[in-house]
Amino acid sequence: DIVMTQSPDSLAVSLGERATINCKSSQSVLNRSNKENYLAWYQQKPGQPPKVLIYWSSTRESGVPDRFSGSGSGTDFTLTISSLQSEDVAVYYCQQYYTTPITFGQGTRLEI
Amino acid sequence: EVQLVESGGGLVQPGGSLKLSCAASGFDFSASPMHWVRQASGKGLEWIGQIRIKTKNYATAYGTSMKGRFTISRDDSKNTAYLQMNSLKTEDTAVYYCARPKGFCLNDACYHWFLSWGQGTLVTVSS
Repeated sequence: DIVMTQSPDSLAVSLGERATINCKSSQSVLNRSNKENYLAWYQQKPGQPPKVLIYWSSTRESGVPDRFSGSGSGTDFTLTISSLQSEDVAVYYCQQYYTTPITFGQGTRLEI
Repeated sequence: EVQLVESGGGLVQPGGSLKLSCAASGFDFSASPMHWVRQASGKGLEWIGQIRIKTKNYATAYGTSMKGRFTISRDDSKNTAYLQMNSLKTEDTAVYYCARPKGFCLNDACYHWFLSWGQGTLVTVSS
């Protein structure tokens, strides 16, 4: 199984500041044929199911604010929130879909 | 509007069985693979498995710790997916979500992230 490890486990960022969450996979999730990284990012608020933010490591889902961006390739990925808003308080997860079983990172709790 | 509604959760004793349902609406259910994901209280997300569509013989795949105990099925006439759970353990206590994926399948493999989720149903395994 591919192990996904996020860092940090939690972080606190001031409103309007940048938040950066990292995700590392135990093996590459880059498909060399199509040059796509099979990685997604989710946001989960208390009492709600997760919501997809990013897929193909950097493609923003429709309706997701452009302050959210994804980057990285191979085994190292980053979710960046450029200017933190109060509504961004949540737990964030990365997920690989390069191979089954699908696996998630352990989550990063983002606070103000 | 896409809706996924899970049901069937509740309290079950260790060693018992439970069958969850996921009623879907707002999209062509028969044309969509479906997944189940669970989340223990205060913990992360764990993929349970998936079921493909009729033209792919309703092929299933499961997470490592679920193989042999959990079975995913579907009834396209009822727009419903199911999760049969047997030999339940206390560590199976979690909220169980069904999810509609986005992505693609190629030959025997699927490459999915999760576009739509239900609100989840709580399963508690305890004596």
